[in-house]
Amino acid sequence: EVQLVESGGDLVQPGGSLRLSCAASGFNFSDYAMHWVRQAPGKGLEFVSAISGNGIHTYFGNSVKGRFSISRDNSNYYLQMVNVRPADMAVYYCARDRGSGRYGWSAFDVWGQGTTVTVSS
Amino acid sequence: EIVLTQSPGTLSLSPGERATLSCRASQSVSSIYLAWYQKKPGQAPRLLIYGGSSRATGVPDRFSGSGSGTDFTLTISRLEPEDFAVYYCQQYGSSPPITFGQGTRLEIK
Repeated sequence: EVQLVESGGDLVQPGGSLRLSCAASGFNFSDYAMHWVRQAPGKGLEFVSAISGNGIHTYFGNSVKGRFSISRDNSNYYLQMVNVRPADMAVYYCARDRGSGRYGWSAFDVWGQGTTVTVSS
Repeated sequence: EIVLTQSPGTLSLSPGERATLSCRASQSVSSIYLAWYQKKPGQAPRLLIYGGSSRATGVPDRFSGSGSGTDFTLTISRLEPEDFAVYYCQQYGSSPPITFGQGTRLEIK
């Protein structure tokens, strides 16, 4: 069964750091690009970050560029968040791209259930 | 950045009726880079349509996508009770950032 499971969501202070994880199973990880998408309370979906299947290409939404980084190892991938802001408070979802991301992105066909990041002092 | 504007914000319909949801882009988007998702509270988003008009695996044929250029449409031919949710369009072209529309809430009338 194809599955994505996020973890690492927690309460973090403004200016703090947090690392989210996404464990993938049921498919060949390196064949697919992966993404992070978030949904703040009462808001819509917002693209956060992407990484290609080969790990070479990465991409970030404008609101997190320079503060977040994305990485992967084996069948896990990670979102490192630094200098966290109140606006970063959200449910964070990892999602699989339909393609490898080598020549561009595609739609997101598999999603995890999300992990919650709360930002408060 | 391509801005996607969805309308209406809220659509109130009854089961059995036809739903038409709109997504307008701030600049031209190739239809092959346009997707639609369904989101219910407490659940992960679900891919419905990709490439503008291709249904994802397991999506009923009452869902259809169409459009080109800057105007795209998701149509649900006959609403079932489980279709009431929030719907998002998304563009994922290789050059600009990936963006989502703000969503259309489909509620039971």
